[in-house]
Amino acid sequence: ETGVTQSPTHLIKTRGQQVTLRCSSQSGHNTVSWYQQALGQGPQFIFQYYREEENGRGNFPPRFSGLQFPNYSSELNVNALELDDSALYLCASRRGQGHYGYTFGSGTRLTVV
Amino acid sequence: GQQVMQIPQYQHVQEGEDFTTYCNSSTTLSNIQWYKQRPGGHPVFLIQLVKSGEVKKQKRLTFQFGEAKKNSSLHITATQTTDVGTYFCAGVMYSGGGADGLTFGKGTHLIIQP
Repeated sequence: ETGVTQSPTHLIKTRGQQVTLRCSSQSGHNTVSWYQQALGQGPQFIFQYYREEENGRGNFPPRFSGLQFPNYSSELNVNALELDDSALYLCASRRGQGHYGYTFGSGTRLTVV
Repeated sequence: GQQVMQIPQYQHVQEGEDFTTYCNSSTTLSNIQWYKQRPGGHPVFLIQLVKSGEVKKQKRLTFQFGEAKKNSSLHITATQTTDVGTYFCAGVMYSGGGADGLTFGKGTHLIIQP
């Protein structure tokens, strides 16, 4: 059983640009969440998708958007990048909507200069 | 907003000593999960607690969920160097819409001195 894979692993972007991060969820998992983790902090919930529909969102502006595809893979898009967007972006998947733990990917380290 | 506080932020112990991290939520939780993140790594799921007053054990690790479902603790007995990392609690708030993103604490960094 493969785990959660994310690409790319590292990325450098310029302020104002747009970025797309990708995630393949673990086999059998149809719920995908995205988190932003600043250095030395806990992950912060961005949003969650279940069966291709966004069903939860944290306190992030609309320039953070996403998609989930029929194979349950997912994308996180960030427009108009700001310096404070520099962080580790983590994708996490789980089976269904019940009481299950999440499997996290290794993350994408985004640096905005 | 909804918050999950975790203390201490850092804990230095000698190898073989015990370790405890505490987690407190500003609101009642549906359930709480614990994760471990090694330096340079990603969070790894340890356990989930759902019931009021629940206690679960995994070898040297003991997890507790408070009666009011607002606090939790993780206790490690006789720490080993492999226990090094940051331990996060992550609360799931009650929501009407079914979405239940995790609200993480800031984590407790466990540093072990041999």
